[in-house]
This record gives sequence, structure tokens and C-alpha cells, in this order.
Amino acid sequence: AQSVAQPEDQVNVAEGNPLTVKCTYSVSGNPYLFWYVQYPNRGLQFLLKYITGDNLVKGSYGFEAEFNKSQTSFHLKKPSALVSDSALYFCAVSPKSGNTGKLIFGQGTTLQVKP
Amino acid sequence: NAGVTQTPKFHILKIGQSMTLQCTQDMNHNYMYWYRQDPGMGLKLIYYSVGAGITDKGEVPNGYNVSRSTTEDFPLRLELAAPSQTSVYFCASSLREGGTDTQYFGPGTRLTVL
Repeated sequence: AQSVAQPEDQVNVAEGNPLTVKCTYSVSGNPYLFWYVQYPNRGLQFLLKYITGDNLVKGSYGFEAEFNKSQTSFHLKKPSALVSDSALYFCAVSPKSGNTGKLIFGQGTTLQVKP
Repeated sequence: NAGVTQTPKFHILKIGQSMTLQCTQDMNHNYMYWYRQDPGMGLKLIYYSVGAGITDKGEVPNGYNVSRSTTEDFPLRLELAAPSQTSVYFCASSLREGGTDTQYFGPGTRLTVL
């Protein structure tokens, strides 16, 4: 079965430190990969996506993600965390087969950035 | 553009009642989706539509129905509500281009079935 795993329910980091939110996937072929962020009582906001090409993808708010095909991972990173980055982060994949654009989501990781 | 809008924001439904969650987008997107989000879980796809008049089931369609009579609107119907349908419901839309697309989400409807 196709799935996305975010192995950490919560990540805690001090403001100014680098952050990493992990994501691995089990999907056949080379899927499209996404990161979304959800602030409390809000809908999901798009951060970035990987389609093809350079393994390092840059997105909104200073976030970037590194695609690793051999490890089937797509970890989200930021060099210097802000308190305002505290939110719930979702990794998602869209299988190319079927071409319906459907997203398979991980369970989410809560990022807590402390001053 | 307002983007994706959903109504209502909150609703409490009694077991066995029915209701319709509304979703409208003003971006002329062809694809639309309904997801549910349960605590500690990722979003699960309920139904999706690739254009007006075309809908298909997602991962968890039981207990729900949809229709897509216009490009803009994609209502989700709950028939005979059950406590298991207590969840937060998100509508999303996307414009298919180049083989992939980015989904844009509405603010969600928090539904409680008692």
C-alpha cells in the first residue's frame, strides 16, 4: 500500500537554530512530493513541491526540502527557525500513475520553536 | 480572489440527520477535492472531481455524496450522520498543468455529530 510516514509527532527547536522535519514515503514510481503547513484553526498552506530536477527545493518563508531518491525521503529544513514557524507540518505525495492529482498525506509533525 | 471558501465554519449535527457542506472556489480550477482530518491523522481523501459533471471516490467515501454541477462549487453531502463522521472537513482545488498541480485548501468545517 502507498503511504507517507512522518516519524516524529513533535519537533522542538530553539529560535535561531536549524530545523529538520522528516518525511519518508512508500509509493511506486517517482511521485510528486509536497510540504504543507497548518496554523491553528486554519486550512493547509502550500510550502513547496518537488517535481523533478535539483534535489534541493526552495519554498515559502525560507523553507527548503531535500529529495533523496535512494532513501525515498523528502525532509523539510530551515537554516534558522522562528517562533512564528510553530505549526503543524504535513508531507504529502502525489503518485504519477493515474494522474488524478490525489494527495497521500503523512500524519503530520508539530513543530514547536521556543524563544 | 477569495480562493477556496467553505461554509459553515462549525456545525453540530444530531445522529441520523443530514447536511451539506458547501465549497466554492473562484480560481477557475478544474480539480476539486474533499478531505477529512481526524486528530493525530493526516488528511484522508473522501471524493474528488476532475471537472464539472465528473466525480469519483477517494479513500473514505462511505456515508458521503458529492456533486459538481459547476466549475466553482463542490458540495459534500452527509446522509444519516454518525458519530464517526465527527471531523474537520477540508475542501481543496487545483489547476491541472504540466502533469502536476498544487492544491489550495479552504479554512475547513469543524463538524460534530452527537
